[in-house]
Amino acid sequence: EVQLVESGGGLVQPGGSLRLSCAASGFTFSSYSMNWVRQAPGKGLEWVSYISSSSSTIYYADSVKGRFTISRDNAKNSLYLQMNSLRAEDTAVYYCARMILGYYYMDVWGKGTTVTVSS
Amino acid sequence: DIVMTQTPLSSPVTLGQPASISCRSSQSLVHSDGNTYLSWLQQRPGQPPRLLIYKISNRFSGVPDRFSGSGAGTDFTLKISRVEAEDVGVYYCMQATQFRYTFGQGTKLEIK
Repeated sequence: EVQLVESGGGLVQPGGSLRLSCAASGFTFSSYSMNWVRQAPGKGLEWVSYISSSSSTIYYADSVKGRFTISRDNAKNSLYLQMNSLRAEDTAVYYCARMILGYYYMDVWGKGTTVTVSS
Repeated sequence: DIVMTQTPLSSPVTLGQPASISCRSSQSLVHSDGNTYLSWLQQRPGQPPRLLIYKISNRFSGVPDRFSGSGAGTDFTLKISRVEAEDVGVYYCMQATQFRYTFGQGTKLEIK
């Protein structure tokens, strides 16, 4: 079964750090680009970051650029999001989603992990 | 960034009746490769998003044929031919033609 499972969320104080993970299974992880998408409580979807299959291309939303770092380990079938200098507005459910190179749609999503930034 | 604007934001529909959601982009979504990377996603209550339609009008695997997508350039539409109870949720359009990817605000589909 094709699956993405996020982990690493939790409660963190403003200015703190957190590292999210996304474990992939049931498909050849190294063949797919990956994204992080977040959803603040009661709000819509916001794209956060993209990483190509080989990690050669990386993009960030302006709202997280300079604070978040996306990475992947194809040998471990895992995607990561290192989040530093967290703010209250980063509070959200964070989803990882795969994307087929050249097709540009997100066809598989994880269930998400919740990040709460509060003192 | 490309701004995606959906209308309506809320759509009360009677079971068995059609529903339509519009999505407009602030600039053309035609990619330099000639394709238009506009997709539609459904998010049922308490669930992650689910892909319905990609490249304007292609139904994803397992998506019922009552869902259809159309449009070109900057104007796109998602139609549900006969709404069923399981269709309740929020629908998003998303553009992946240009980084940074952007979503519409979401349209909440509810049953009258």
